[in-house]
Amino acid sequence: GDSVTQMEGPVTLSEEAFLTINCTYTATGYPSLFWYVQYPGEGLQLLLKATKADDKGSNKGFEATYRKETTSFHLEKGSVQVSDSAVYFCALPRGTGRRALTFGSGTRLQVQP
Amino acid sequence: EPEVTQTPSHQVTQMGQEVILRCVPISNHLYFYWYRQILGQKVEFLVSFYNNEISEKSEIFDDQFSVERPDGSNFTLKIRSTKLEDSAMYFCASSGSGGKNEQFFGPGTRLTVL
Repeated sequence: GDSVTQMEGPVTLSEEAFLTINCTYTATGYPSLFWYVQYPGEGLQLLLKATKADDKGSNKGFEATYRKETTSFHLEKGSVQVSDSAVYFCALPRGTGRRALTFGSGTRLQVQP
Repeated sequence: EPEVTQTPSHQVTQMGQEVILRCVPISNHLYFYWYRQILGQKVEFLVSFYNNEISEKSEIFDDQFSVERPDGSNFTLKIRSTKLEDSAMYFCASSGSGGKNEQFFGPGTRLTVL
């Protein structure tokens, strides 16, 4: 089945630093790609998505571009805040025509004031 | 804003007991899912449900598990005889009929098997 690989965490940054969390995928076809965020003690929230190659998903200052050439969907933010501290998951459908998602291992981000 | 709700938020049970985890998906959604997350690990897919039947399941979803939509609003996950390794956070999710497959997750039920 299709899969994603995320960079290992934790990632510790100072407030206002630049963030990159790497995600690469293996898939047949061109699936939609997602980033979910899990704040401490909460469930998963969709952060952003991209449905086709070269699409850029964005939300709350976070961005990710669907790169077909490098099979990547890296998450970036120009200036992180303490409130961005959470676990970030890259995800894609389990296979062509499937709706259920497979998630990366998650990357914990800790932002220090 | 509509949201997925789950009850209970925390369930403690003895090994071998049956548990039922409940979810109320977003009302106009048609696809329903259960995922689980063992503490500190990745989120794993269990099962998806559409049109009153299982549409996909993972290798984790064995005969000990079952799902049901007993009425027009609830979606349940039953574990017949719990094992220690079933201890995890269980998340329900739902999505609409559109092709973009945006899934909305509930807050989760933490299951502790003693």
